[in-house]
Amino acid sequence: DSGVTQTPKHLITATGQRVTLRCSPRSGDLSVYWYQQSLDQGLQFLIQYYNGEERAKGNILERFSAQQFPDLHSELNLSSLELGDSALYFCASSVGQGGLNTEAFFGQGTRLTVV
Amino acid sequence: GENVEQHPSTLSVQEGDSAVIKCTYSDSASNYFPWYKQELGKRPQLIIDIRSNVGEKKDQRIAVTLNKTAKHFSLHITETQPEDSAVYFCAAGPNTGNQFYFGTGTSLTVIP
Repeated sequence: DSGVTQTPKHLITATGQRVTLRCSPRSGDLSVYWYQQSLDQGLQFLIQYYNGEERAKGNILERFSAQQFPDLHSELNLSSLELGDSALYFCASSVGQGGLNTEAFFGQGTRLTVV
Repeated sequence: GENVEQHPSTLSVQEGDSAVIKCTYSDSASNYFPWYKQELGKRPQLIIDIRSNVGEKKDQRIAVTLNKTAKHFSLHITETQPEDSAVYFCAAGPNTGNQFYFGTGTSLTVIP
């Protein structure tokens, strides 16, 4: 167990719908990262939050948004879903800026299926 | 931003042989290079990492080498075992805890 909790584990929804994925980082970790892993694809960086603020953006679609709350949990919102959004979405956390211990611990992922 | 390239995409080796996976990066500011192993249906897990102030690091059968001048780093697995079969991802990033950029992964199969 990495200490990073993602819910739900599985999600099936229809095209055009909106879903929210939730991530609770490890205790003490301030940075949260979101990654998308499509079938046979690598880990595509979407977005990073550090202590409630957006820190970096990757290849995140405009239909997607995220936030990190004061208790440090994070949510990834996916809207106007398309079939191509079907993927495994990982959340990871790390201590964050200023520390040398930058190992990122991954959650188990949320498998999203858009039908 | 950073661009990490990883080769090969698939690798098959006989049990007991060595496996080598290579990555290159583009941003000279990157100074932290972790390697993750992802077994089928599971989350990626860190297996070894290296910082730019060292050229090589070993942990039992796993070693990583870094060439900062050439901007490439490699994962070496010796005496491979069937349980080493997985997808391996390299990554590059700063020491500060900012985002990591991952390579596209190498699917390693160890044939008994």
